[in-house]
Parts: sequence; C-alpha cells; structure tokens
Amino acid sequence: DAGVIQSPRHEVTEMGQEVTLRCKPISGHNSLFWYRQTMMRGLELLIYFNNNVPIDDSGMPEDRFSAKMPNASFSTLKIQPSEPRDSAVYFCASSGDRVGGELFFGEGSRLTVL
Amino acid sequence: KNQVEQSPQSLIILEGKNCTLQCNYTVSPFSNLRWYKQDTGRGPVSLTIMTFSENTKSNGRYTATLDADTKQSSLHITASQLSDSASYICVVTSGSARQLTFGSGTQLTVLP
Repeated sequence: DAGVIQSPRHEVTEMGQEVTLRCKPISGHNSLFWYRQTMMRGLELLIYFNNNVPIDDSGMPEDRFSAKMPNASFSTLKIQPSEPRDSAVYFCASSGDRVGGELFFGEGSRLTVL
Repeated sequence: KNQVEQSPQSLIILEGKNCTLQCNYTVSPFSNLRWYKQDTGRGPVSLTIMTFSENTKSNGRYTATLDADTKQSSLHITASQLSDSASYICVVTSGSARQLTFGSGTQLTVLP
C-alpha cells in the first residue's frame, strides 16, 4: 500500500493567492482528517470527513479555508485568499472503522505564504 | 476541557543511553492513548496504543506504560540510537473514535 499521498510537498506563494492542497487516503479507509502543524500550536485538527461527509469542521480557521471530499479517494483543502499566518505544514490522515483506530498520516504539505 | 501535557518539552541524550518521556492527560471518558513518532519533515507514525486495561506494552526498544488512576503514561526508550531523534507525540482518544486530543510533543535529540 502506498500510504496517504499528499501534494504538493512544498508550496511557496504570495499573499492573496489561492492555494489548493490535495490528499489521497489509504484505500478502504472511511475517515479522512486535515491537520495543521506549527511550532507554536502543534497539531491542530481542521476538519474531518467520514464516508466523504464533513463531520466536524469546527477547527477551520475562517471562511478563507474550505475542504471537499468528492469521493472516497480524494480530498482537497483550499485557502483563498492566503495570508502569511497560514504558513504551516498541513497533514492529511486517514483511518479505518475501528474505534480509536490508528491515524495514518501523509508526508505533509509545507506551505509558505510570503 | 480535555488536555494532554507532555514533558519534557525537549531532551538531549547520548547514543546508547535510556530515556523516559511523560504524558499526563485530563481526558474523559478515556478510550485509548497512542504514542506517535514524528521524524523531521515526515508525518507522525504510531508506535503503540494503550487501552484502559493495559499497564505496559513493548515495541522493540520502546516500552509504554499507562496508569489510568493517575492519568499518566510514559514512553521509555532503551539503548537509544541516532534514529530515535524525533518528536514523540502523545494522543488520547475520548468517547467516540474522533475525539482526539494531541500533546505538544517531546523533541528528542540523540547525539553520537
């Protein structure tokens, strides 16, 4: 199994530009999570989907952030417009049905907004 | 409010030495506790899971303990190696499978 696949691995953009991060979860996993990691705040849950349906998006910072999961094998996290304070590493993770199941993380997308 | 606190924040040891990382939690109801290892520039990877009835669990040179009464867990690393240099994150699951509380991690550096 290839694991959780994220793209791009690195993104450098200018303030105001739109950023789209992509994630392919592990086949068969029905839950998908988007996390943001910074030195100051550690790992923060942004949103999670179960069976392609957003269940908890309370961690999404503001309207500039949006996430979609059009099918079981693909999800996007979009930031529009981007701001310097959005600079962070964004992780996608997936897990199976079992209660308290292990999260399998992707390698992350490092975003730098200038 | 559910919280997970880890100590120390950072730790430097010499190769071959042992070390112990601590995790205290105030999460209710408790479901399980996981230790993740995060190498620099990579995503976290699960090392071990502790459920309410488990006191000790080993995974190679890693041994995790859980005291559900005091709500404390520890991760003991034996005979450290350079490859153990990483951030170790304690994650507690409460209630439903999706209520995860993350600690801020302990940054371990193993020097030759």
